[in-house]
Amino acid sequence: DSGVTQTPKHLITATGQRVTLRCSPRSGDLSVYWYQQSLDQGLQFLIQYYNGEERAKGNILERFSAQQFPDLHSELNLSSLELGDSALYFCASSVGDRPYEQYFGPGTRLTVT
Amino acid sequence: GEDVEQSLFLSVREGDSSVINCTYTDSSSTYLYWYKQEPGAGLQLLTYIFSNMDMKQDQRLTVLLNKKDKHLSLRIADTQTGDSAIYFCAETTGTASKLTFGTGTRLQVTL
Repeated sequence: DSGVTQTPKHLITATGQRVTLRCSPRSGDLSVYWYQQSLDQGLQFLIQYYNGEERAKGNILERFSAQQFPDLHSELNLSSLELGDSALYFCASSVGDRPYEQYFGPGTRLTVT
Repeated sequence: GEDVEQSLFLSVREGDSSVINCTYTDSSSTYLYWYKQEPGAGLQLLTYIFSNMDMKQDQRLTVLLNKKDKHLSLRIADTQTGDSAIYFCAETTGTASKLTFGTGTRLQVTL
């Protein structure tokens, strides 16, 4: 158990809908990262937050947004969902905002029908 | 640019050593990592190496880094059936902490 929690574990929704994925980092970690794992794109970095502020952005679609709250948990919002958004979404956390150990949660499997 | 490549599949017998290879293109890599993903599970951090090191050993795991050839390998000694999983190498570059992952190598351990 990495200490990173994600909810829900599975999510099934229809095209055009909006969902929110939630992540709680390990105790003491200030950085939260979101990654997407799909069959065609592999594992891709989406976005990083450090202590409530956006720190880095990767291949994140404009339909997607994230935030980190004062208690350091983070939410990834996915809107206007398309079939191609079906994937595993992972959250990871680390102590600081410099290269170091990142610990991953169990992921949320999103299926868009 | 960032590109991390791995072979797709490796099959070994239980008790043998496994060597999983990875090549990367970015010369500004700072840390290189190995993660393990079992079916239906998240990514487990196995080990990592700083880019100015050549080798790191951690119990059954040995990481070798050849910076000149931009080649990273993970050796698992005495491979067990519980080692069957997908192994990802990953890198961070410069001061950024986002991970760039390889394509993953599926390790199959046979009896």
